[in-house]
Amino acid sequence: AQSVTQPDIHITVSEGASLELRCNYSYGATPYLFWYVQSPGQGLQLLLKYFSGDTLVQGIKGFEAEFKRSQSSFNLRKPSVHWSDAAEYFCALGRYSTLTFGKGTMLLVSP
Amino acid sequence: DVKVTQSSRYLVKRTGEKVFLECVQDMDHENMFWYRQDPGLGLRLIYFSYDVKMKEKGDIPEGYSVSREKKERFSLILESASTNQTSMYLCASRWSDRGTEAFFGQGTRLTVV
Repeated sequence: AQSVTQPDIHITVSEGASLELRCNYSYGATPYLFWYVQSPGQGLQLLLKYFSGDTLVQGIKGFEAEFKRSQSSFNLRKPSVHWSDAAEYFCALGRYSTLTFGKGTMLLVSP
Repeated sequence: DVKVTQSSRYLVKRTGEKVFLECVQDMDHENMFWYRQDPGLGLRLIYFSYDVKMKEKGDIPEGYSVSREKKERFSLILESASTNQTSMYLCASRWSDRGTEAFFGQGTRLTVV
């Protein structure tokens, strides 16, 4: 069975500070991994995805994520957070059929 | 751009009513999904469809059914709405053979009173 764990329910970061959101997965083969962002009352928007190859992937809005097979992790990072980054972030795993999502991490940005 | 459109942003229904949530995608995707989103629980899969007239139960199918008569349209049906089905419902679609991301609609906030 596949599963995704996001250990942090809420994270508060000061504007301009760096950000790292954690994601751990359980999967029997090479995973396809995704990070999505959801602003209040909206659907999910894809930030970035990993299929194979370079383990450091770049996404939209200045986000990046690093795939570490040895740690079963796919952490999301941003060097400098903006107030508009406040949202809920979801890590997801899946190949050709369904996607399994983590429970999400709510990012709060303080002035 | 891929577009996944859900017919309603907000719905208020009465307990016991039959409720239809409609979703249309314009990218000829084989796979379509209905998720339910609740605070602290993330996205939970209700049903998915991998082809016209084909469906598979997800993690929480009880109290729901689905219909896919055309490739671009996937409907979620609450046969007899209950207050515990008050939630945000998200539709998504995806190609089946390319392992790409899923594209999401804007969501339908359903309140059952």
